[in-house]
Amino acid sequence: GAGVSQTPSNKVTEKGKYVELRCDPISGHTALYWYRQSLGQGPEFLIYFQGTGAADDSGLPNDRFFAVRPEGSVSTLKIQRTERGDSAVYLCASSLFPPGTDTQYFGPGTRLTVL
Amino acid sequence: QKEVEQNSGPLSVPEGAIASLNCTYSDRGSQSFFWYRQYSGKSPELIMFIYSNGDKEDGRFTAQLNKASQYVSLLIRDSQPSDSATYLCAVCGSGGSYIPTFGRGTSLIVHP
Repeated sequence: GAGVSQTPSNKVTEKGKYVELRCDPISGHTALYWYRQSLGQGPEFLIYFQGTGAADDSGLPNDRFFAVRPEGSVSTLKIQRTERGDSAVYLCASSLFPPGTDTQYFGPGTRLTVL
Repeated sequence: QKEVEQNSGPLSVPEGAIASLNCTYSDRGSQSFFWYRQYSGKSPELIMFIYSNGDKEDGRFTAQLNKASQYVSLLIRDSQPSDSATYLCAVCGSGGSYIPTFGRGTSLIVHP
């Protein structure tokens, strides 16, 4: 595709439920990032993949959050036992080269609402 | 802990004026600096990046970096109402981690 795509665009769930958020990066981009953004805040880093492996998962807030990228392309962010505090826009970004040296292209985001 | 500070604003400027957006950072080893624009309800898009001290110009935009003062700014000349958005500063640090740390953003309003 022409850009980074994310599905769903909106997700409403109940506290305690499990959710999966999908990111399809720009074709050929080996670096993929997940961020979450709360209202009035900048994007907060969650995890960075270089290829299939998580090169840096230091931003994951706790063990309820997990992400995979099994074939080095599409990535899924998984949140177990959702809490109201997980409500935010989850942004995915990709870049051709490693972070700090290249432009990150952001997807449109998934707005997660936990009731 | 890496910190990137921005005044949340809003910064209000008249059309045609110069808008000056500022960002300070705590990690003295930071090496690359990015400015993103984010329209309401949309995702961030890169405006420009700067690595070296001094000024870097791209059209109406100029990024200024002063590593000694740990300060980076974005100037927008001939501001247009379409420039109204939130501007995010992102800083990539040292210590083996080049994951960008974002500031909270400054809201810019350009009024006709």
